[in-house]
Amino acid sequence: KAGVTQTPRYLIKTRGQQVTLSCSPISGHRSVSWYQQTPGQGLQFLFEYFSETQRNKGNFPGRFSGRQFSNSRSEMNVSTLELGDSALYLCASSPEAGGYGNTIYFGEGSWLTVV
Amino acid sequence: GENVEQHPSTLSVQEGDSAVIKCTYSDSASNYFPWYKQELGKRPQLIIDIRSNVGEKKDQRIAVTLNKTAKHFSLHITETQPEDSAVYFCAASVHQGAQKLVFGQGTRLTINP
Repeated sequence: KAGVTQTPRYLIKTRGQQVTLSCSPISGHRSVSWYQQTPGQGLQFLFEYFSETQRNKGNFPGRFSGRQFSNSRSEMNVSTLELGDSALYLCASSPEAGGYGNTIYFGEGSWLTVV
Repeated sequence: GENVEQHPSTLSVQEGDSAVIKCTYSDSASNYFPWYKQELGKRPQLIIDIRSNVGEKKDQRIAVTLNKTAKHFSLHITETQPEDSAVYFCAASVHQGAQKLVFGQGTRLTINP
């Protein structure tokens, strides 16, 4: 099975611009979540989607948004970029099962640099 | 909300020795505790996980223990090898119709030959 695929892998943007990152989950996985990784703040949860619905959201400003399509693929968007948005953005997917937590698999990430 | 503390932030051990990384969590409702290994420039990779109905889990040289009463869990790596050098993250999750991992700050493990 192919793993979680993220595009683009690297990108440089200017302050004030917006960016869209894409994620294709592992085949059959319906839950997609996004995390931001920075040296200072570590790994922080952005949001999680399941069946095209956002089920959970982290403590990030409204400039960070996402969506999920009917084929489970997901995109996240950051508008009005700030220097502090420079980070590795990780997408993760997991199968859905009730009860205990599901195993979460990460993609290689999208490295965003804001200049 | 959930908060996860991880110690130590850096750990250096001699090849062949054991390494132990400890995490504590705050939300007693957390029921899933994965550990991830991240090599430089790579994605976090799941190495082992444990659910709250289990006290210990082992996979070859890696083991995880969970103490629900004290709200802490630990990663144990025995017979360490140079390829074990990486940053290790613990996480905790409460599955309540959705899943959100709260990560510890990470431990940079260095194995000295």
